[in-house]
Amino acid sequence: GENVEQHPSTLSVQEGDSAVIKCTYSDSASNYFPWYKQELGKGPQLIIDIRSNVGEKKDQRIAVTLNKTAKHFSLHITETQPEDSAVYFCAANTGNQFYFGTGTSLTVIP
Amino acid sequence: KAGVTQTPRYLIKTRGQQVTLSCSPISGHRSVSWYQQTPGQGLQFLFEYFSETQRNKGNFPGRFSGRQFSNSRSEMNVSTLELGDSALYLCASSFPDRAGEQYFGPGTRLTVT
Repeated sequence: GENVEQHPSTLSVQEGDSAVIKCTYSDSASNYFPWYKQELGKGPQLIIDIRSNVGEKKDQRIAVTLNKTAKHFSLHITETQPEDSAVYFCAANTGNQFYFGTGTSLTVIP
Repeated sequence: KAGVTQTPRYLIKTRGQQVTLSCSPISGHRSVSWYQQTPGQGLQFLFEYFSETQRNKGNFPGRFSGRQFSNSRSEMNVSTLELGDSALYLCASSFPDRAGEQYFGPGTRLTVT
């Protein structure tokens, strides 16, 4: 099956700085890559996604890049704010099911 | 539009008992997936239902089962509970497209004592 690895597991940044989270996947059949933000006591919230026919997608301060050849994709958050503090998960979908990374706990220091 | 709702939000059960969790998807969503989230194993896929049929199943024992009703609401059942079943159980709904956007509910926190 698919194997998704996510790094780093924890990340601390100063408010206003950028944060980058990276994921790799193993199954070349994976064609959809969402990113989720999970706050304490809540379910994961879809924040951005990318499909395999696109290399980059941006939504305000959040961007995702995909390198199909290298089988990796990354989440970029610019101008971080304290409310960005949460656990972020990447995922890959093979068409049958989603496989999730192990999560990155992001702390934005005011 | 209302989001995915899950009931109950918290549950405490004893080893050996069984439990039923409920999920109501976003209106118009016909696919419902269930996940188990634990600190050690992360988010793991349990199963997916579409049009009252199980479409995919993860690698969990047969004690974990589910069903979907004609209004797309779904339930999952865990029989003969074990301590290791303590987890946050998440439901997610999406449109029928297999690689479609998936929206999660707040989860049911199950504690087995």
